[in-house]
Amino acid sequence: QQPVQSPQAVILREGEDAVINCSSSKALYSVHWYRQKHGEAPVFLMILLKGGEQKGHEKISASFNEKKQQSSLYLTASQLSYSGTYFCGTTSGTYKYIFGTGTRLKVLA
Amino acid sequence: GAVVSQHPSRVICKSGTSVKIECRSLDFQATTMFWYRQFPKQSLMLMATSNEGSKATYEQGVEKDKFLINHASLTLSTLTVTSAHPEDSSFYICSASHTSSYNEQFFGPGTRLTVL
Repeated sequence: QQPVQSPQAVILREGEDAVINCSSSKALYSVHWYRQKHGEAPVFLMILLKGGEQKGHEKISASFNEKKQQSSLYLTASQLSYSGTYFCGTTSGTYKYIFGTGTRLKVLA
Repeated sequence: GAVVSQHPSRVICKSGTSVKIECRSLDFQATTMFWYRQFPKQSLMLMATSNEGSKATYEQGVEKDKFLINHASLTLSTLTVTSAHPEDSSFYICSASHTSSYNEQFFGPGTRLTVL
C-alpha cells in the first residue's frame, strides 16, 4: 500500500511552477515531504499533521487533505537547486514512514 | 543539530561474506532508528524498526536472519547483511528520531553496498 505520487517525472524551466501529488489508500495521520539528490540521503522539507493543514517553506508549500488521504507539494518560481526526486512519507497510526513512489523533478536553466 | 552518520559510505564485498553498517546519532539520543533499502530509481523501502534495548521489528518480506539489526545504545544501531549475494546490492539508509512519534526523521548519508 505504497502511496502513489503523480506525476512520475516533470521537467521545468527555471521560474516555472509545479505541483506534486501524493495519494494514499489508507487513512493518514501525517505527511512528510523529502527531496533526494542522486546518491544522497533524503532531505526533510516539511511535515503536515492535521487534515487541511497547509505549510510554507520559502517558495515551497504543501497541503494535506485528510479526508481525501492526499497531500500536494507546491513549488513556485522553481530554481535549479530544486532538481531531485521528491518523496512523500506517510504515517497511518504508527510512527513508521511509508514512502511514496517518488517524483523526479528536473529544472532547466 | 540532529546529525546522523553512517559508516561505511561505500562497501564492495564478495558473495557469501557479511557486511556490517553502522548508524550513529551524533548529537541526540535516538529512541528509534529505522533501516531502509533503496534500489536504483526506486523509493525507499522500510526494512525494519530498531528500538534501543529490544528486538527489531522487521517488515513483511525482510529476512530476520539475513539482516541482523542491533540497537545497543541510544546513539548506535548496526545492520549486518549476512552471507551477502549480488541481489543484496543496494543503497542502505538509516534514520533516527528523538522519540517513537510522528516527528521528523533524520537520515544518515547512506551506504552503497555492492556484492560481487
